[in-house]
Amino acid sequence: DGGITQSPKYLFRKEGQNVTLSCEQNLNHDAMYWYRQDPGQGLRLIYYSQIVNDFQKGDIAEGYSVSREKKESFPLTVTSAQKNPTAFYLCASSIDQTGDYGYTFGSGTRLTVV
Amino acid sequence: EDKVVQSPLSLVVHEGDTVTLNCSYEVTNFRSLLWYKQEKKAPTFLFMLTSSGIEKKSGRLSSILDKKELFSILNITATQTGDSAVYLCAVPTHNTDKLIFGTGTRLQVFP
Repeated sequence: DGGITQSPKYLFRKEGQNVTLSCEQNLNHDAMYWYRQDPGQGLRLIYYSQIVNDFQKGDIAEGYSVSREKKESFPLTVTSAQKNPTAFYLCASSIDQTGDYGYTFGSGTRLTVV
Repeated sequence: EDKVVQSPLSLVVHEGDTVTLNCSYEVTNFRSLLWYKQEKKAPTFLFMLTSSGIEKKSGRLSSILDKKELFSILNITATQTGDSAVYLCAVPTHNTDKLIFGTGTRLQVFP
């Protein structure tokens, strides 16, 4: 079955550590996205990539980094520079760059900084 | 600046009630509006609306778009506890080719 797989589901990190969240899709979608979700704030875009080896900052990119070396994969690194990293992180993909046909979402990773 | 505003933020009802969720938007070169349901984790697609006045329907859920007044509503009739979720509204932007989301409406349905 085609879909998006995010791992791990739950992640605990000590302050000052970098951590990488995995996102893999087998839908042959061109575009991939990372969102952060906090209670009462909806989804906020961190980074997005419309083609391999290219990505753009979203609305809240500070303290995060990404790579897009393969079409299927779009990992997100939460660096120690991110001041408030505890959140629910969602990865999504879309068939083309316009977003007109909506996104397919992964099941998310809940990151907790302890 | 493109934006999507949903209301109410939260709604508590009893099984069998009918609810209406609202989504208003401001976006350059509107193309479509999408509704998602998020229960625990991944949002799942409900509807995509592109034309005014044409109702999309799926079981007890229906949605309609008003491009003149720049809003959409999502109706759920005869609500069930399984309808409890956050309902998200989103529109693709023109300049950046990405979806922007509203804050969502949290619906809780009690028996």
